[in-house]
Amino acid sequence: DSGVTQTPKHLITATGQRVTLRCSPRSGDLSVYWYQQSLDQGLQFLIQYYNGEERAKGNILERFSAQQFPDLHSELNLSSLELGDSALYFCASSADTTNEQYFGPGTRLTVT
Amino acid sequence: DAKTTQPPSMDCAEGRAANLPCNHSTISGNEYVYWYRQIHSQGPQYIIHGLKNNETNEMASLIITEDRKSSTLILPHATLRDTAVYYCIVRVQRSGGGADGLTFGKGTHLIIQP
Repeated sequence: DSGVTQTPKHLITATGQRVTLRCSPRSGDLSVYWYQQSLDQGLQFLIQYYNGEERAKGNILERFSAQQFPDLHSELNLSSLELGDSALYFCASSADTTNEQYFGPGTRLTVT
Repeated sequence: DAKTTQPPSMDCAEGRAANLPCNHSTISGNEYVYWYRQIHSQGPQYIIHGLKNNETNEMASLIITEDRKSSTLILPHATLRDTAVYYCIVRVQRSGGGADGLTFGKGTHLIIQP
């Protein structure tokens, strides 16, 4: 158990819809990262938040957005969903002074 | 971040040492070698990292060559639960403000045989 929690575990929705994925980092970790893992693209970094502020962006689509709240939990919002957005979405967190990232169990999104 | 090259797959007998190689010939002086693994569809798991000295923790050992162009992750007594995809990642280590997002390659699929 990494200490990072993600909800929901599974999500099935239709094309064009919007969903929100939630992540709670390890206690005390200020950084939260979001990753997408699909069969054809592998594990890809999407976005990072540090203490409530966006810090780095990876391959995140404009239809996707994220935020980190004062209690440090984070949400990833996916809108206008397409079939190709079906993937595992992982959240990770890290402490301020270390670089190791600890990953949650993921949310499996299926878009039909 | 420097590029890494890993074999796509490896087999190892249960109870034996699993040695996973990684080539990172373009590594810069301030880049660290990190290893993560992902057991089928679970979240990736941090294993170990190092700069130039060999490192050991409760999970594994990391051997980095003197020229730092390659490294080997060693699982000393592999078990069936070690079957996973192992990722070697080279990156700058930052202090304060959190680390950057990880760039995962295809990794090595290690299969532990009973």
